[in-house]
Amino acid sequence: KAGVTQTPRYLIKTRGQQVTLSCSPISGHRSVSWYQQTPGQGLQFLFEYFSETQRNKGNFPGRFSGRQFSNSRSEMNVSTLELGDSALYLCASSLVAGGRYEQFFGPGTRLTVL
Amino acid sequence: DQQVKQNSPSLSVQEGRISILNCDYTNSMFDYFLWYKKYPAEGPTFLISISSIKDKNEDGRFTVFLNKSAKHLSLHIVPSQPGDSAVYFCAASRANFGNEKLTFGTGTRLTIIP
Repeated sequence: KAGVTQTPRYLIKTRGQQVTLSCSPISGHRSVSWYQQTPGQGLQFLFEYFSETQRNKGNFPGRFSGRQFSNSRSEMNVSTLELGDSALYLCASSLVAGGRYEQFFGPGTRLTVL
Repeated sequence: DQQVKQNSPSLSVQEGRISILNCDYTNSMFDYFLWYKKYPAEGPTFLISISSIKDKNEDGRFTVFLNKSAKHLSLHIVPSQPGDSAVYFCAASRANFGNEKLTFGTGTRLTIIP
């Protein structure tokens, strides 16, 4: 079974631009979550989608948005990029079964804002 | 407010010895805990999890212990191998369907010395 895929793997943008990142979950997984990883901050939860609906949202400004399509693929968008948005953006998909819960992560998209 | 804390940013252990990674949490609503391992340029990989109804879960060389009264969990790796060198994140969540948000610690970098 193919894992979680994220595109692109690396991205360089300048301040003020916007960016769209893409995530394809594991086949059959309907929940997709997005995280931001920066040095010293660990993984910070951005938002989670299930069946095209945002169910959870972290403490990020409105410049960060996302959506999920009917095939469970998800995109996240960051508008008006700031230098502090430079980070590794990770997508994870999950399948809840019998109360057991784990998320499977993609390799991430490394975003550099200049 | 860091609800999940890993107070040791790094740990070095001799090959063949036991590695013990610690994690503390403050939110008493957390009832499901996970450990992830992360290599550079890759997404986190799920290692092992534990539900709050248990105090120990074992999977091969990996054992997770949960002390609910102390709000503390630990990951034991025995024996430690060079391939275990990575950053380890603990994460916590509420296992109820519809709340798949994971709260991560900041990670501990484990180095296994040959």
